[in-house]
Amino acid sequence: DTAVSQTPKYLVTQMGNDKSIKCEQNLGHDTMYWYKQDSKKFLKIMFSYNNKELIINETVPNRFSPKSPDKAHLNLHINSLELGDSAVYFCASSRLTSGGAETQYFGPGTRLLVL
Amino acid sequence: SQQGEEDPQALSIQEGENATMNCSYKTSINNLQWYRQNSGRGLVHLILIRSNEREKHSGRLRVTLDTSKKSSSLLITASRAADTASYFCATDIRGGADGLTFGKGTHLIIQP
Repeated sequence: DTAVSQTPKYLVTQMGNDKSIKCEQNLGHDTMYWYKQDSKKFLKIMFSYNNKELIINETVPNRFSPKSPDKAHLNLHINSLELGDSAVYFCASSRLTSGGAETQYFGPGTRLLVL
Repeated sequence: SQQGEEDPQALSIQEGENATMNCSYKTSINNLQWYRQNSGRGLVHLILIRSNEREKHSGRLRVTLDTSKKSSSLLITASRAADTASYFCATDIRGGADGLTFGKGTHLIIQP
């Protein structure tokens, strides 16, 4: 059983299009995240979300928006795609405790290529 | 801004040898985590060490944390070809509420 799943695995699209990436976790975690990994393998947090708070990294363009229909899902919508959006996008989830974030479980990634 | 810096950026050793990777960070942390990423795959959690801990073991992995020097190391003993991967340290600064801050990673190659 996949703990954190993402669809699609690959996404090739034209500049200017709008696309969505779906993420689901079956771990019962209360917090979900989106990360972007660039061509140099550098991973950067984009969003973190639980039922109380959405935290947006200030460097993320407002063309990116997370949407959570329920605690098990955090989808990523991207409007007006640009060439620089090409990257691998990872969804992750974890449980927050009084001691902070526990282990984060990552999905397999979505490889986005904007032409 | 980037929090973690791993070194070396790349490391190639013979199978059976030990591999040591280091990570330095800039701000106070809640915990520090090490992850492995095989080529073209997602990240797999290896070890979490809290700010009040100094050393942790898991199988062939040993992680140390020195909060006074803001640094951590990951030691893999008796390396195997299957250990070939990129290794990232990641820091939890605000109790997880705003995600992890990753370093650039160390690419480890184990020569058979």
